[in-house]
Order: sequence, then structure tokens, then C-alpha cells
Amino acid sequence: AQTVTQSQPEMSVQEAETVTLSCTYDTSESDYYLFWYKQPPSRQMILVIRQEAYKQQNATENRFSVNFQKAAKSFSLKISDSQLGDAAMYFCAYRSPRDDKIIFGKGTRLHILP
Amino acid sequence: ETGVTQSPTHLIKTRGQQVTLRCSSQSGHNTVSWYQQALGQGPQFIFQYYREEENGRGNFPPRFSGLQFPNYSSELNVNALELDDSALYLCASSWGTSVDTQYFGPGTRLTVL
Repeated sequence: AQTVTQSQPEMSVQEAETVTLSCTYDTSESDYYLFWYKQPPSRQMILVIRQEAYKQQNATENRFSVNFQKAAKSFSLKISDSQLGDAAMYFCAYRSPRDDKIIFGKGTRLHILP
Repeated sequence: ETGVTQSPTHLIKTRGQQVTLRCSSQSGHNTVSWYQQALGQGPQFIFQYYREEENGRGNFPPRFSGLQFPNYSSELNVNALELDDSALYLCASSWGTSVDTQYFGPGTRLTVL
């Protein structure tokens, strides 16, 4: 069974600085999809970024980028120029193309210090 | 374009009761997935509905059941509520059952006393 591990329950970063959130996963599949979701206090889960395992190029969305290391089964999220609105719970997630469910990690709570 | 909506926002029930939670999918989406998020945890997959049929299920007992309607809205029903059912229930909609991105609603907070 696939698992997703986020080893940092909480992190803090100064506004305008860069922060990296860690995620590792375990799977025996070679083809899969990885996601980072953001959940602010409003509770709505928002997709931040998505990576297909067959793509070697790391995904980027504006200030958000990932470091996808397939052999190491690592999928970290880098947030550049952190803003107060980035404060939220961040969940790393895995999805197999043969399954319908998304498997989430336990999340990392990110605090932005003004 | 209308996003995913859920009702009610909050709900309080007592142990043994039954509850129905509702979800309206995003316009154009035909697939709805339901997740349970306990406090301090990541969401856990309950089941998915595609074109009105259950299309995958997580490790949840049969007292968790669902429906999807012709307009692709969906219900999650939980019978014989237990204290551990207290959680945030999220629904997510998508187009198809492939790896198309799932879009989440704001959730229903269920408290079981």
C-alpha cells in the first residue's frame, strides 16, 4: 500500500523568505501523480501544484516549485517570497492512475512571520 | 463557473443517530469523491461516485453510504453514528475517474456527542 509521510508538523518562515516543506512517499508503482494541497483556516483544500511521475522536469507555479526525486521517493515544495496569505496547512498527496483515491500525508502547518 | 459547495457547514448529532451530508459538484464535473478528515490529520478517502455508481471505496464500514444524482450532486449518509465519526467531511469533484485534478468543497464539520 502507498504511504505519504510529512515529517515536519510545523514550520515558520519570515515574510519574503523562502521555505521548503518535505514529503516522502512509498510505492511500488512506476507511474503515479503527486500533489501539494493548501488548506487555510477556511478549510477549503486548494491545489497548489501537481507533478506527473513520468515527467523529469519539476513542476512550477509562480512562487511555488517542487523538487521531485523519483529514485529517492521525495517530493518537496519550495515557496519563494513567502507572503502572509501562504499561512496554512500544506498536505502532500499521492494518486495512482489505477485507483480513485488520493492518499494524503498528515500535513505541515506553515506560519508566516511578519 | 460554480465551485464545489457543501451543506450544512456544521452539524451536531448524538451517538446512534443518522446523518446526511450534501455536495454539489463543480459545473461540468461528473465524479464526486468523499473524504473524512479527523482533527490534526490528513483527509482519508471514503468512496467515489461516477455517473451515479460507486466507483471505489476506502476502508470505511458499510454504515457509510452514498448516492449520486443525475445532476451529479451527491450525498454521504452515515448510520449509527459513533464518537469517532466526529470530523470534517470533504467532497471533491472532477471530470472523469482518471487523474484529473479534484476540486474540494469547504467541508461539513460533524460533531458526534
